[in-house]
Amino acid sequence: SQTIHQWPATLVQPVGSPLSLECTVEGTSNPNLYWYRQAAGRGLQLLFYSVGIGQISSEVPQNLSASRPQDRQFILSSKKLLLSDSGFYLCAWSAVGTDTQYFGPGTRLTVL
Amino acid sequence: GIQVEQSPPDLILQEGANSTLRCNFSDSVNNLQWFHQNPWGQLINLFYIPSGTKQNGRLSATTVATERYSLLYISSSQTTDSGVYFCAVLFSGGYNKLIFGAGTRLAVHP
Repeated sequence: SQTIHQWPATLVQPVGSPLSLECTVEGTSNPNLYWYRQAAGRGLQLLFYSVGIGQISSEVPQNLSASRPQDRQFILSSKKLLLSDSGFYLCAWSAVGTDTQYFGPGTRLTVL
Repeated sequence: GIQVEQSPPDLILQEGANSTLRCNFSDSVNNLQWFHQNPWGQLINLFYIPSGTKQNGRLSATTVATERYSLLYISSSQTTDSGVYFCAVLFSGGYNKLIFGAGTRLAVHP
């Protein structure tokens, strides 16, 4: 069966520091991968998606970037965090040719 | 873009009560998913339901795509049903983009 992992689970970072969040998927090949952000008390907003290694598309302009160095690894990064980057970040995957997305446990980021 | 509206925004129930959550969407969509976000933040897939009715235990969902709404029914609610329920519609433009509603926050008291 497929599983999706995210780490760290929680993170507290100062403004201006770098960020690296990691997401890995097991039990499937060539998945579509997604990064979403959830602000407090809100729904989820798609940030990035990837259909393959090195292929990244951005949904909204922002202080963040994403990379996919391996088939089942998706990384969310920032060079300098802003207060507005605080939130709950969720990674998701879907199998090629299917619609259903499955979400990881999330990373709760607080920027102080 | 597609708008997704959920109602009610908040719901408080006594254990054992039934409830109906509603999701309206503004345009034709290829699919719709219902999720439950537990108190730890985990999003759990409940239903993948482009049309028709599905049931899973005490939960069932109905989507009427032609009228652009979906309903989630919770029967005999339990405290473990507490959390936030999201519907998300699928917009396909070369990839599968989920557009989420703002959610319904449910609290079930014993």
